[in-house]
Amino acid sequence: GENVEQHPSTLSVQEGDSAVIKCTYSDSASNYFPWYKQELGKGPQLIIDIRSNVGEKKDQRIAVTLNKTAKHFSLHITETQPEDSAVYFCAASIVGGGNKLTFGTGTQLKVEL
Amino acid sequence: DGGITQSPKYLFRKEGQNVTLSCEQNLNHDAMYWYRQDPGQGLRLIYYSQIVNDFQKGDIAEGYSVSREKKESFPLTVTSAQKNPTAFYLCASSITGTENQPQHFGDGTRLSIL
Repeated sequence: GENVEQHPSTLSVQEGDSAVIKCTYSDSASNYFPWYKQELGKGPQLIIDIRSNVGEKKDQRIAVTLNKTAKHFSLHITETQPEDSAVYFCAASIVGGGNKLTFGTGTQLKVEL
Repeated sequence: DGGITQSPKYLFRKEGQNVTLSCEQNLNHDAMYWYRQDPGQGLRLIYYSQIVNDFQKGDIAEGYSVSREKKESFPLTVTSAQKNPTAFYLCASSITGTENQPQHFGDGTRLSIL
């Protein structure tokens, strides 16, 4: 089955700096890659997603890039703010898999003042 | 407001008891999902349902059961056969169960063993 690895597990940046979180996946049949933000005691919130026919997608300060050849995708957050502090999860879904997601293990992002 | 409601937020279970977690959505979504979240691990799929009166096992279904009698409801029962039930349980839904549909999550139920 699909396996998704996520790095780093913790990330600390200064306010205003950029943050990058990376994920790799094992199954080349994966074609959908969402990113979720989870605040303490809450459920994950979808912040951006990308499909395999696109190499990059941007939404304001957030962008995701996908390299299908290398089987990895990354989340980029620019101009980080304290409210960006949360746990971020990547996930992947396989073609023919019925919309089932396989999640990475999460990255705790801390934005320091 | 449209969304996914999970109740209760905290739940305690005695050894040997079954307990049912509620998940209701008013988004008119066909598909619903249950995940388990443990510290330091990603979310793992327990069961999913692509349509009313139908559901399939996920990766860690042992010790759990579900039903899908109504489109808006997908309750999860944690049975006494689940040996390590303490976890954060998350329910999600998507417009359909076909590929590449964004899943939207509730705010979870934290289950603890007394």
